[in-house]
Amino acid sequence: GAVVSQHPSRVICKSGTSVKIECRSLDFQATTMFWYRQFPKQSLMLMATSNEGSKATYEQGVEKDKFLINHASLTLSTLTVTSAHPEDSSFYICSASRPPTYEQYFGPGTRLTVT
Amino acid sequence: SQQGEEDPQALSIQEGENATMNCSYKTSINNLQWYRQNSGRGLVHLILIRSNEREKHSGRLRVTLDTSKKSSSLLITASRAADTASYFCATDENRDDKIIFGKGTRLHILP
Repeated sequence: GAVVSQHPSRVICKSGTSVKIECRSLDFQATTMFWYRQFPKQSLMLMATSNEGSKATYEQGVEKDKFLINHASLTLSTLTVTSAHPEDSSFYICSASRPPTYEQYFGPGTRLTVT
Repeated sequence: SQQGEEDPQALSIQEGENATMNCSYKTSINNLQWYRQNSGRGLVHLILIRSNEREKHSGRLRVTLDTSKKSSSLLITASRAADTASYFCATDENRDDKIIFGKGTRLHILP
């Protein structure tokens, strides 16, 4: 089956620094990827839709200048959390939409802890 | 935004019993999916049911879909300790390419 990877799986950073999370589709080309955030004991909340070669579409309430998304190739999307603060600590999960059915395949997630 | 609403929010049952979780949604959909998530881990896709289907089986899983009531149920038969996890339904809101998740049900199987 399709595989989507995320790197890193865990990251700890200091408040005020920026962190980049990568999402890769390993065996298919994904024109669309999605980024989700999940706080403890809560559901996944869609943050943004990442489209290859164009600007990401952000959900209401998600700051585009804080969560920078780059989808520079058909197999890679990156999410950069800029000037991270403790309240940004969360589990970040990406998914990639695989043609022709456009079924979404999810990555294993990245645990971000901001100290 | 969240599309699906699961109930119950938490469920504890004895091993061997059946577990039923329900999900309701608000808009028209092309399909509805159920996922499992073990604590702190990624999502495991369980089953996808299309809007023109009413019931689907996969091993010990049975999913129903009632589009007139905008609801779905997930039944896990003969539960096992390994079934302890959170279960989420997810829909393609307004038949879009986005998937929106429900709040989830935390299932705990007691030995």
